[in-house]
Amino acid sequence: EFVLTQSPGTLSLSPGERATLSCRTSHSVISNCLAWYQQKPGQSPRLLIYGASSRATGIPDRFSGSGSGTDFTLTISRLEPEDFAVYYCQQYGTSPFAFGPGTKVDIK
Amino acid sequence: QVQLQESGPGLVKPSETLSLTCTVSGDSITSYYWSWIRQPPGKGLEWIGYIYYSGSTNYNPSLKSRVTISIDTSKNQFSLKLTSVTAADTAVYYCARKYYDLSTGYYYFDRWGQGTLVTVSS
Repeated sequence: EFVLTQSPGTLSLSPGERATLSCRTSHSVISNCLAWYQQKPGQSPRLLIYGASSRATGIPDRFSGSGSGTDFTLTISRLEPEDFAVYYCQQYGTSPFAFGPGTKVDIK
Repeated sequence: QVQLQESGPGLVKPSETLSLTCTVSGDSITSYYWSWIRQPPGKGLEWIGYIYYSGSTNYNPSLKSRVTISIDTSKNQFSLKLTSVTAADTAVYYCARKYYDLSTGYYYFDRWGQGTLVTVSS
C-alpha cells in the first residue's frame, strides 16, 4: 500500500509570497495519478490539481503542480488571503487511494 | 452542476451500525463511480471505498470486513454501512464523485459533498 508524506507540516508565509509544498510517495505513482486538494475549516476538500499538473476547472493559474514518480510539488506563485488553508495530496492510480497528512499554509 | 448531499444519524452507539446516504443531483448516478471518504476531527482523509452503478465495489482493506456500499439508481443515491463501530470511527463522512481523467485513464475525486459528522458514543 502507498504511504504519502507531505512537507513541511506547516508553512508560515505572507500574502504575495510563493508557497512550495512537497508530496513524496512510497512507490512510484502510476501514470502520474496524483491530485492536490485544498481544505478550509468547516469545508470539504476542493480539487486543485489532477494528473500531477492539470488544473481543475475554475482553479486560478497561480496554482501549479509538477513532478513524477515519487516526488511531486504544488506551487502557489503569489499567495492570496483566501489561499491560507490545508493542502492534501492523494494518489488515485492504485487502490487503496491514499492521502497525505496535509500541509497547513498559515499567515506569518 | 452535480451536487452531493450526505444524510444520516449524527450519533451512533458503540458496536452498532453506521448508515449514511448520499443523494446526487444535477447528474445521473449511472455515469460515474461514487466514493465514501472520512476525516476524523482534526485529522487527515481516509478513503473508505467506491461503487459503480452496476454494483461493483472496491473497499479499503483496512475497513473491508465492516463496510458495505450500495447504490439505488432509481433514487440517484448510494449508501454506506459500517458495522461494529467504535469511537475510532467518529469522523466527518464525505461522499464524492470519481471523474475520468482522460490524460491518465484513471479516476480522481472531483466533486465532494459538504460532509456529515458522525459521533460514536453511548
